[in-house]
Amino acid sequence: EVQLVESGGGLVQPGGSLRLSCAASGFTFSNFGMHWVRQAPGKGLQYVSAITNNGGSTYYANSVKDRFTISRDNSKNTLYLQMGSLRPEDMAVYYCARARNGFTFIDYWGQGTLVTVSS
Amino acid sequence: QSALTQPASVSGSPGQSITISCTGTSSDVGGYNFVSWYQQHPGKAPKLMIYDVSNRPSGVSNRFSGSKSGNTASLTISGLQAEDEADYYCNSYASGSTLGVFGGGTKLTVL
Repeated sequence: EVQLVESGGGLVQPGGSLRLSCAASGFTFSNFGMHWVRQAPGKGLQYVSAITNNGGSTYYANSVKDRFTISRDNSKNTLYLQMGSLRPEDMAVYYCARARNGFTFIDYWGQGTLVTVSS
Repeated sequence: QSALTQPASVSGSPGQSITISCTGTSSDVGGYNFVSWYQQHPGKAPKLMIYDVSNRPSGVSNRFSGSKSGNTASLTISGLQAEDEADYYCNSYASGSTLGVFGGGTKLTVL
């Protein structure tokens, strides 16, 4: 059974940093690209970042470019999102998700971790 | 990339059929057969319902179907059931953007 379990969310002040983790199990992690997708309270889904299966290529939404860094450790079956210079508009539930067919769709999602940005 | 356009809400009675539209441009929905649909119940993670316009993953009811015409994709749910009440999001690959683009979401109410 495919499982994606996010952790690391919490309360952070504007301008602060946070690192999210996503532990993957039930599939060969190193064979799949991965996404981070977020959802602000009461709002829709928004892509944040993606990474290829070997970590060789990374992609970012314009809104987080130069502030967030996606990475992965295939030996630990773990995906990361390092978030810096956090803004109130970054407050959201962050989902880890498995990419398919390049990055054309997502077939599995984690349960999400909430990031709150507030002073 | 601009978000794809979905109706904010749709409703139907049990047993009826409803269709949710998702309108984009020739640079996304109209240009590629890479439209997917996700169902999200309150407080839960999204779930893949349709990929590549009209393909259903294993385990998804055949009451759910997808189609596309020009720049508009559609999700049809037949034989509406109470459990279908949820938010639905479309997504498409978009030229010039590996990340793709989501629609704004549609709230389905089963009356």
